[in-house]
Amino acid sequence: GAVVSQHPSWVICKSGTSVKIECRSLDFQATTMFWYRQFPKQSLMLMATSNEGSKATYEQGVEKDKFLINHASLTLSTLTVTSAHPEDSSFYICSARDPGTPKETQYFGPGTRLLVL
Amino acid sequence: AQSVTQPDIHITVSEGASLELRCNYSYGATPYLFWYVQSPGQGLQLLLKYFSGDTLVQGIKGFEAEFKRSQSSFNLRKPSVHWSDAAEYFCAVAAGNTGFQKLVFGTGTRLLVSP
Repeated sequence: GAVVSQHPSWVICKSGTSVKIECRSLDFQATTMFWYRQFPKQSLMLMATSNEGSKATYEQGVEKDKFLINHASLTLSTLTVTSAHPEDSSFYICSARDPGTPKETQYFGPGTRLLVL
Repeated sequence: AQSVTQPDIHITVSEGASLELRCNYSYGATPYLFWYVQSPGQGLQLLLKYFSGDTLVQGIKGFEAEFKRSQSSFNLRKPSVHWSDAAEYFCAVAAGNTGFQKLVFGTGTRLLVSP
């Protein structure tokens, strides 16, 4: 199946700093990628849809200036958490749509755990 | 708007016993339905999906799911559970009014496997 990677797998940062998370589709080109956030023992909440070459579409309640998304190539999307605060600590997961599969199934990365001190 | 309900927060099953995880969805037309599994600290792995056709869908790791339109359900089953199946299971729906792009997830069911 399609493979999606994320880097880093975990990161600890100080409050006020910015953190960048990368999401890569390794064996297919993904015109659309998605960013999710998952709190402990909870489900995944879609934050934004990232389309290659255009601005991301954010879900209601997600601050676009706080969570900057860049999808500069067909295999890479990045999420930057700007001026991170402890409440931003969470598990961030990306997914990518594989246009070569029926109904463009989403494949998920392994996630990035962010801890803001 | 579409929604997914997984009524069981956690389920404990003995190793070797059968398993059924419940999933109900809310959507006016035929949905696209998915089951994903998440091991601790990991991302999500696709187990199976239903788009159309045969309502009994076979997936990986011996899992299957049955789409029942009359009950708005898409329950996941496995005839004999292995200890390695212990994980969090998420049901998800993608709807046509979003171009089938957005996945809406249920709250998940945590499966515990007892010896």
